[in-house]
Amino acid sequence: AQSVTQLGSHVSVSEGALVLLRCNYSSSVPPYLFWYVQYPNQGLQLLLKYTTGATLVKGINGFEAEFKKSETSFHLTKPSAHMSDAAEYFCAVSDSGGYNKLIFGAGTRLAVHP
Amino acid sequence: GAVVSQHPSWVICKSGTSVKIECRSLDFQATTMFWYRQFPKQSLMLMATSNEGSKATYEQGVEKDKFLINHASLTLSTLTVTSAHPEDSSFYICSVDGERREQYFGPGTRLTVT
Repeated sequence: AQSVTQLGSHVSVSEGALVLLRCNYSSSVPPYLFWYVQYPNQGLQLLLKYTTGATLVKGINGFEAEFKKSETSFHLTKPSAHMSDAAEYFCAVSDSGGYNKLIFGAGTRLAVHP
Repeated sequence: GAVVSQHPSWVICKSGTSVKIECRSLDFQATTMFWYRQFPKQSLMLMATSNEGSKATYEQGVEKDKFLINHASLTLSTLTVTSAHPEDSSFYICSVDGERREQYFGPGTRLTVT
């Protein structure tokens, strides 16, 4: 069975500081990996995804993530945090089979302070 | 990605009544849709997979007779919470199974059962 672990339910950074949100997964088949962002009382917006190919994936709003198979990790980073980045971030995994069921991590709430 | 709408965005109902939530794919033919529920400060839990023209597939532990799903067209799936109780109060989010392994999420519906 697949699962996702997000280390740190809350992360707080200063504006302009590096953002690092951690995600580890388990999967018995090659995974597809996703990061989503959720603003209060809204649905989810895709930040980036890894399916195949280049392991460093660039997404929207300056975010990127690197798929590391040896570490079963897919950490999300952004060099310089902005106040508007404050939100809930979810890492998700689906298998590379034909069915696109997503398994979500518990989420990490990112706070950005001046 | 596709534009997905949900209606209503917020609903309050009395215990014992039923409520229907609509999920519409506005610009993408949605053969498959997903329904999630999200409790406050928690992650998304997949409830069921809705396939156009066929019966939904429910996740383990989800009562199919309580959460009725109908996916009669390529643009509309509905979730009906029957005989709602306060413990059914939650944020319900639908998504459309899209292209390139992406899911397109609706904005969510907040259900409060009094």
